[in-house]
Amino acid sequence: DADVTQTPRNRITKTGKRIMLECSQTKGHDRMYWYRQDPGLGLRLIYYSFDVKDINKGEISDGYSVSRQAQAKFSLSLESAIPNQTALYFCATSEKQGLGETQYFGPGTRLLVL
Amino acid sequence: QKEVEQNSGPLSVPEGAIASLNCTYSDRGSQSFFWYRQYSGKSPELIMFIYSNGDKEDGRFTAQLNKASQYVSLLIRDSQPSDSATYLCAVTKSGGSYIPTFGRGTSLIVHP
Repeated sequence: DADVTQTPRNRITKTGKRIMLECSQTKGHDRMYWYRQDPGLGLRLIYYSFDVKDINKGEISDGYSVSRQAQAKFSLSLESAIPNQTALYFCATSEKQGLGETQYFGPGTRLLVL
Repeated sequence: QKEVEQNSGPLSVPEGAIASLNCTYSDRGSQSFFWYRQYSGKSPELIMFIYSNGDKEDGRFTAQLNKASQYVSLLIRDSQPSDSATYLCAVTKSGGSYIPTFGRGTSLIVHP
């Protein structure tokens, strides 16, 4: 079984709709992240959580919200989807590795906003 | 100036050659450096990390770090078509949170 899972894997929605992307992990890591990836723009951090009670905005949090329901679950919501939120979304966990962190990514959710 | 810069490529090399991927970073106090591989349509996966100046080898992969010049490289020896992917450089800045900043990635194509 995958250590980091995301649902749904693909989603098509319309402008103005509220949607939720879910992430679960069995790695036992405290830290979880949501990224979006756009062609030519690389991975950009939306939100991150160091534990259930610690949630922080990343570089592109506008238009998004998150919920950390448990150590293993971290959900990303788009309150009112817009077309420029069409992207590939990754959830990740991390563990400390010396002076940095190794990130473990889920399989991604491909979102299309019409 | 972007914090972590990579040439987007594509870098095209013949099978069996050495592929050299480069990454520069702007924060002189950066502490740790990671290389991830991402196949098309898949998620990134860690190849290796390096903290100290010099070379670090793992199989066909060698990471090279030069903090004075603020660059980190990934060499892939005996490149195979299966190495064709996008390679992401990630850098952790000084100052404590350990959250990496990713470059935009370099596309590598290894042709038979």
